[in-house]
Amino acid sequence: SQQGEEDPQALSIQEGENATMNCSYKTSINNLQWYRQNSGRGLVHLILIRSNEREKHSGRLRVTLDTSKKSSSLLITASRAADTASYFCALTFTSGTYKYIFGTGTRLKVLA
Amino acid sequence: NAGVMQNPRHLVRRRGQEARLRCSPMKGHSHVYWYRQLPEEGLKFMVYLQKENIIDESGMPKERFSAEFPKEGPSILRIQQVVRGDSAAYFCASSPGTSGQGTGELFFGEGSRLTVL
Repeated sequence: SQQGEEDPQALSIQEGENATMNCSYKTSINNLQWYRQNSGRGLVHLILIRSNEREKHSGRLRVTLDTSKKSSSLLITASRAADTASYFCALTFTSGTYKYIFGTGTRLKVLA
Repeated sequence: NAGVMQNPRHLVRRRGQEARLRCSPMKGHSHVYWYRQLPEEGLKFMVYLQKENIIDESGMPKERFSAEFPKEGPSILRIQQVVRGDSAAYFCASSPGTSGQGTGELFFGEGSRLTVL
């Protein structure tokens, strides 16, 4: 089915540590994006990786994509308390319409 | 350039009433998406529209829910005869749709929180 599953569901780390969250899916994708949601707010786009790319960087963010395993990971390095938020992967698929399907989310808490 | 505007931000309805949620996309954006989110959960896709067309409504319940995106004016998500289970946050997102469908980022509004008493 066209769905993204994220793990872990929740993650609690100390400031300065790295945070890694993963997104897995089942059918072929066009691209995969990561979004952030602060409590009670709308989502904000972080980074996009296309299906023919394997790794992308943006500031403290590093995204990898393994299409053979149908999975992606988001790494946030040197985390800060302000990184506390929920993180979602969003997928568009090669079949069907170009709707964006969001994963289940990882709730990250960075302790100061 | 104003972002995606959703209103109302909060809406309270009694069971059986109608709820209308509005979304004005970013200027120049012709694609609108509606999502529903329950507390502590992910976003569930509801409907994808272009101006005057529904592209994909596979996530929207067949009864009581409808969506439109007219040539002029905001996109409207309409919920008739609301029930308590409709209580949720409804998010709208827009994209330009010019760089290839499904290849760009989505820009989100701040959501409309519907409470059904």
